Amino acid sequence: EVQLLESGGGLVQPGGSLRLSCAATGFTFSSYAMIWVRQAPGKGLEWVSGIDGSGGRTYYADSGKGRFIISRDNSKNTLYLQINSLRAEDTAIYYCAKDRYSGSYYRLDFWGQGTLVTVSS
Amino acid sequence: QSVLTQPPSVSAAPGQKVTISCSGSSSNIGNSYVSWYQQLPGTAPKLLIYDNNNRLSGIPDRFSGSKSGTSATLGITGLQTGDEADYYCGTWDSSLSSVVFGGGTKLTVL
Repeated sequence: EVQLLESGGGLVQPGGSLRLSCAATGFTFSSYAMIWVRQAPGKGLEWVSGIDGSGGRTYYADSGKGRFIISRDNSKNTLYLQINSLRAEDTAIYYCAKDRYSGSYYRLDFWGQGTLVTVSS
Repeated sequence: QSVLTQPPSVSAAPGQKVTISCSGSSSNIGNSYVSWYQQLPGTAPKLLIYDNNNRLSGIPDRFSGSKSGTSATLGITGLQTGDEADYYCGTWDSSLSSVVFGGGTKLTVL
């Protein structure tokens, strides 16, 4: 059974940093692209970033370019999102999701339960 | 506003049919496949349809998808109260080199 478990969210001051983690089980982690999607309170889904199975190719939404870094450790079956220079508008639930294939980034067939990031002073 | 345009809300009675549209451009829907997601209140999104019209295993055939040009449509027949949720379309945008979602459509089953 595929399971994705996010962690690392919390309350952070503006300008701070945070690293989110997503532990994956139940599938061959290195064979699939992985994605981060966020959802601000009461708002819609926003695709944040994606990384291919090897970790050699990454993509970012414009809102995160230069501040977000996606990475993965295939030996630990874990996906990461480093978020720097946090802003109030980064407040959201951050979901990790598994790509159905190795590199489509939008066929997200399994999702974690999400971790809440709140940016406030 | 979102790159993909969806109606904010749709509604229909139990047992009826509803369609949800998703409009884009040649750099996204016109040049890629479309996925559809269902998000029940308080839960993570769930993939319903991928590659325009393929249902994920376990998704009832009441749910269907189609695409024409730069627009896509999700259809739901035999509406049930349990179908009340937010629905999102998504695809790859070659101009942005990122995935784009629609703004979401809230389905109310009256």
